[in-house]
Amino acid sequence: EAGVVQSPRYKIIEKKQPVAFWCNPISGHNTLYWYRQNLGQGPELLIRYENEEAVDDSQLPKDRFSAERLKGVDSTLKIQPAELGDSAVYLCASSLGVGTEYEKLFFGSGTQLSVL
Amino acid sequence: AQKVTQAQTEISVVEKEDVTLDCVYETRDTTYYLFWYKQPPSGELVFLIRRNSFDEQNEISGRYSWNFQKSTSSFNFTITASQVVDSAVYFCALSESINNDMRFGAGTRLTVKP
Repeated sequence: EAGVVQSPRYKIIEKKQPVAFWCNPISGHNTLYWYRQNLGQGPELLIRYENEEAVDDSQLPKDRFSAERLKGVDSTLKIQPAELGDSAVYLCASSLGVGTEYEKLFFGSGTQLSVL
Repeated sequence: AQKVTQAQTEISVVEKEDVTLDCVYETRDTTYYLFWYKQPPSGELVFLIRRNSFDEQNEISGRYSWNFQKSTSSFNFTITASQVVDSAVYFCALSESINNDMRFGAGTRLTVKP
C-alpha cells in the first residue's frame, strides 16, 4: 500500500514568490493534516481536513497561506508571497479518523522549503 | 492549551546501552491521547505508539517500552539494548479530545554509536 505522497521534495524560491505543495494521502483516509516543522522543533499543525472540509485552520496564517482539498482526496498548500521565515519542512499526514483508535497519523516525507 | 515538554535535546549512547527518553505533558482535558513518533534522517515521521488517558498500563514492544504515569504527567520511552538503527529524532505528542489538535514536543535527537 502506498504511503502519503508529497511533492516536491525540495523547493528553493526567492522571497515574495509564490509556492505550492501537493499531498496525496493514503487511500481511504478521510482526515488530512498539514504541519510545518522548523529546524530543531516539532511539527506544528497548520490545518486539518475532514474530507473536503477544513475543520481546524486556526494556526494557518491566512494572509499568505491557503489550502484546499478538492474532492476530499488530494490537497494543496500554497504560500503567496513567501517570506524568509517560511523556510521549513512542510509535512502532510493522513489518518482514518480523529479521537479514535484510528488516530494514527501517517506522514509523508515532507517538502523542504528554502526561501532566499 | 496542551503542552508537551521533551527536556532532553540530544542524547548519545553506545550501542547496546539502554536509553530513556523523557516526555512530560500538560493538559486540562480528562480524555487525551499520547503518542511517540520516530523521525529518521529520511525525514518521514513513523508512528510508534498511541495511548489513551484511561489506560495506564505500561507497554512493551520488542526492545521498546513505554511508562505512562498520570500522577507525574509523564510518558517516557525506553529503548533496551540500543542499536545504531535507533538513531533518529523522537517526538512525543499529545492530542486532546476537545480540539483534536496533536501537539508535538520539540523532540529528542538520539545518536547510537557503534
